[in-house]
Amino acid sequence: DAGVIQSPRHEVTEMGQEVTLRCKPISGHDYLFWYRQTMMRGLELLIYFNNNVPIDDSGMPEDRFSAKMPNASFSTLKIQPSEPRDSAVYFCASSATLSVGELFFGEGSRLTVL
Amino acid sequence: GQNIDQPTEMTATEGAIVQINCTYQTSGFNGLFWYQQHAGEAPTFLSYNVLDGLEEKGRFSSFLSRSKGYSYLLLKELQMKDSASYLCAVRSNDYKLSFGAGTTVTVRA
Repeated sequence: DAGVIQSPRHEVTEMGQEVTLRCKPISGHDYLFWYRQTMMRGLELLIYFNNNVPIDDSGMPEDRFSAKMPNASFSTLKIQPSEPRDSAVYFCASSATLSVGELFFGEGSRLTVL
Repeated sequence: GQNIDQPTEMTATEGAIVQINCTYQTSGFNGLFWYQQHAGEAPTFLSYNVLDGLEEKGRFSSFLSRSKGYSYLLLKELQMKDSASYLCAVRSNDYKLSFGAGTTVTVRA
């Protein structure tokens, strides 16, 4: 199994630019989560999907952030326009409702906004 | 929502035992997880408790008391590679998983 795949692994951009992060969950998993991790705030849940439908986006910081899941094998997190305070590691994770349902994390996308 | 508390840092000697406590408050409990995260890497799953009691998995054990909103992760026979951050996470009935701030464990020779 390939695991959760995220891209890009690293992104450096300038304030005001659009950033798109991508995620391919593990095949067969019906939940997908987007988290953001910083030293100050730890691991924060931004949004999660069940069967491609957004369930809870209350963690999305503001309207500059949006997430989509057009099909079971792909999701995007978009920031437009980006700001320096968005600098963080963004993790995508997926899980299946069968058995324990633990989250499997991708390797993360490290975003730096200058 | 969830309110999850765990100590910020702990230090222990190689070969020793360390216990990381976690207390939580949640509306609708559906499981407690422990994850390990090495610096610069993604979190990886360690253990899961949904019923009261102790779950043992090799050198690692996790305990849960739902009535007290309390869990601990026990690491035995500490090795240098166990130096990492340990994250307590609570799942609610809507399948939302929220994480504590993490406990950084440093293992010294």
